[in-house]
Order: sequence, then structure tokens, then C-alpha cells
Amino acid sequence: DIVMTQSPDSLAVSVGERATINCKSSQSVLYSSNNKNYLAWFQQKPGQPPKLLIYWASTRESGVPDRFSGSGSGTDFTLTISSLQAEDVAVYYCQQYYNIPSWTFGQGTKVEIK
Amino acid sequence: QLHLQESGPGLVKPSETLSLTCTVSGDSVSSSSYYWAWVRQTPGRGLEWVGSVYQSGRTDYSPSLKSRLTMSVDTSKNQFSLKLNSVTAADTAVYYCASAMIVFGGAIAFDWGQGTLVTVSS
Repeated sequence: DIVMTQSPDSLAVSVGERATINCKSSQSVLYSSNNKNYLAWFQQKPGQPPKLLIYWASTRESGVPDRFSGSGSGTDFTLTISSLQAEDVAVYYCQQYYNIPSWTFGQGTKVEIK
Repeated sequence: QLHLQESGPGLVKPSETLSLTCTVSGDSVSSSSYYWAWVRQTPGRGLEWVGSVYQSGRTDYSPSLKSRLTMSVDTSKNQFSLKLNSVTAADTAVYYCASAMIVFGGAIAFDWGQGTLVTVSS
């Protein structure tokens, strides 16, 4: 199995400031034949299912605000919230879909307001 | 965008069978564009892929659950289902159904059900 490890486990950021979450996979999720990274980011608020924010490591899902961005390749990835808003308080997960059908998720990063 | 909705008992006794159904709207479970997945979530184990079922009926299961798990598709009702037998307290979790859109050999989980809490207790 591909193990996904996120850091930090939690962070507190002031409204309007940048939040950065890291995700590392135990093996590369870059498929060389198409140069795509099989990596997604999800947002989960209490009592709700995970919501897809980003796929292919950097493609925003329709309707996701552009303050959310994804970057990275191979085994190291980052989710950045450029200007944190109160409604962004949530737990964020990275997920690999390279080794389908088995998905694996990071342990989650809790984002709070400072 | 698909809509998925889980249904099933919220309480199951130890050693019995957990049965859940996911009803899909917005596309057919027979579509070759997707396969259908179950993911469960606990505070201790986080988000855990349980298994997947294809429109053909082919299944793939988590190795840790394989011996107890059965998944199937019912095209007449546009549903897919999960049965997990011999449950213990460790199977207590929120169970989500999700669609896995097949793109470039990967499978992206665009849509999820709201989730259903299943508690294993006598």
C-alpha cells in the first residue's frame, strides 16, 4: 500500500493569512506515461462527507475558490490556502488514486482560526 | 454531478452482518465511466477504503476485510451494496459510499454520500 503522511497534524492561522499543508507519499504517484500526479485533496467539515477540492495534484474542482491551490510532484505535495477565511475551518486530507482501486488517505490536518 | 445516499441499520450486534445500500441518482450504476466504492471513517483509523465494485460485478476488497466482505451492484434499482459479516466493535464507523470516475487509469472520488454511522454493540 502507498502510505500518505501529512504535516502538520493541525495548524492555526489568522484570517487572511496563508495556510500550508504538506503531504508525502511512500512511493511516487506520478505516472510517467502521461506526466500526471494521481493525488487529490479533500476538505471535510464536521458532520459532512469529504469534499473534493483538487485532483491531479493541482486541478481545482469546479466551484472551489481560487484561494485553494495544489502543487508538487512525485512524492511531495502541498495544499495552500492563500488567504484563510472563517469558512475554511475544516480537516484537510490528501489521497492517492494511483494504486487503484485501493485509495489511501493521509491522516488529516485540522485547520483552525488563530 | 451524482447524488449518492446510504441506507441501512445504524446498530448491528457483534458477530452479525452489517448491510448497507447506496442509491445513485444522476447516472446509471451500469455506466462504464465509474466504479463504486465504500469508504469508512473512524477517529482512530481515519478514512479507510473498504472496497469497490464495478458495473460488471467485479469486486476489489481491502485485504484486511476481504474474508468478511461482499459487495454487489443492482442495476434494476440503480444501487450498490455492502455486506460485512462477523462484525466487531472495531467495525463501528461512519460508512460513506462514493463514485470513482475512471480517468486516465485513475479513479477520482468526485461525489460522496452523506455517510451513515454504524455502531456495533449488543
